[in-house]
Formats: sequence, structure tokens, C-alpha cells
Amino acid sequence: ELKVEQNPLFLSMQEGKNYTIYCNYSTTSDRLYWYRQDPGKSLESLFVLLSNGAVKQEGRLMASLDTKARLSTLHITAAVHDLSATYFCAAQETSGSRLTFGEGTQLTVNP
Amino acid sequence: DAGVIQSPRHEVTEMGQEVTLRCKPISGHNSLFWYRQTMMRGLELLIYFNNNVPIDDSGMPEDRFSAKMPNASFSTLKIQPSEPRDSAVYFCASSHLAGGHETQYFGPGTRLLVL
Repeated sequence: ELKVEQNPLFLSMQEGKNYTIYCNYSTTSDRLYWYRQDPGKSLESLFVLLSNGAVKQEGRLMASLDTKARLSTLHITAAVHDLSATYFCAAQETSGSRLTFGEGTQLTVNP
Repeated sequence: DAGVIQSPRHEVTEMGQEVTLRCKPISGHNSLFWYRQTMMRGLELLIYFNNNVPIDDSGMPEDRFSAKMPNASFSTLKIQPSEPRDSAVYFCASSHLAGGHETQYFGPGTRLLVL
């Protein structure tokens, strides 16, 4: 059974600082997704990572995938308040469409 | 495309009543997922369909929950009878295989409160 763990679960950071969210998964998976959820809203797709060493960047967010370590990271550069949200990673089993989500990391960026 | 459409957006009902949640997936998507989100349990997959056929319903809590997908553009999740512990946000998502991945696109959710 595929399991996904994120850490930290809660992250409070100051504007302008850098930080990384980690996502570990338990079994082989070659498709890793990152989502964002604002309070009271739905989940919005951010990135999909399809291969070992894949890196995707959008604004102040950069996601990477290391399939050998079964680890994905979401790096935040020079955080701004607008990035405050809950970030989920999700791994997809090699067969089937099901995603297994992590618990989510609640990020708060303080002025 | 309008994205995944869910209705109603909010539902308040009394314990014991039947609740029906509706979902219209993105046109052309062949997989549909029902999730439930609570503070205590996080995001849980209830059931998913592929080409209108239920593939995995292991997350359906109990017999009070049922889901159908009569055609490619419509699905329902029914709770009968409802209980206060069913209060949650229910999301529907859809996907299809493109570019080697199956990004799921989520609807706005239905916020259910069972009194």
C-alpha cells in the first residue's frame, strides 16, 4: 500500500525567507503531484513530476523529484503572504489512476 | 471548459435524511473521484470510477454511502440515512491520461452539515 508523508505539517515563516517542504512516499511511484488549497477553497494543481530528477518552477515555488530516495520537495523562495495556504503532495501508483495524498502542510507567511 | 461542477455547494440537513451530491466532470475526462475532507481525517478517497465503472470503493465508509455514474458526464454520491459524523466537505475530481500523467482537477466542493 502506497503511503505518503509530508513534513512539516505546520510551517510559519517570515516574508522574504526560504524554506522547503518534504514529501516521502513508501513504494515505487513515478508520478508525483503538488496541490495548493486556500482556506475554504478547493485543491488547485501546481506541479506534476514524472521522472527522477524532474524539476518544475512557478514563481517562488520549485518542486523536485528523487525517485530513488522516494522524495519530493517543494522549495519556497523569498516567501510572500500570498503563498499562505495548505500544500499537498500526492503520489500515484504505477498502475491505476488513484492518488494517495499526504496530510498537507499548512503554510503561514507572516509580514 | 467550466471545470468540474458540483451541486449543491452547501447542504444543511437533519440526521436521518437522505443527501444526494452531484458532480459533472470535465468533458473528455474518463476518471472520476469522490473525496471527503475533514479536519480530523484529512482528505480521504471514497470511490473512483474509470469509464463510468467503479474501480475502487474501499474508502466508502459504510453501506449508508453509495455512488453512481450513469454516464460520462454525471455522478452522484448518496448518503442515506445521514448522520452528524458525515459532516464534511465532499470533493469531486476528474482526470484523464495526457502527457504521461493524470492530473486530477477538483470541483469547488459541497459543504455538508448534518444536524
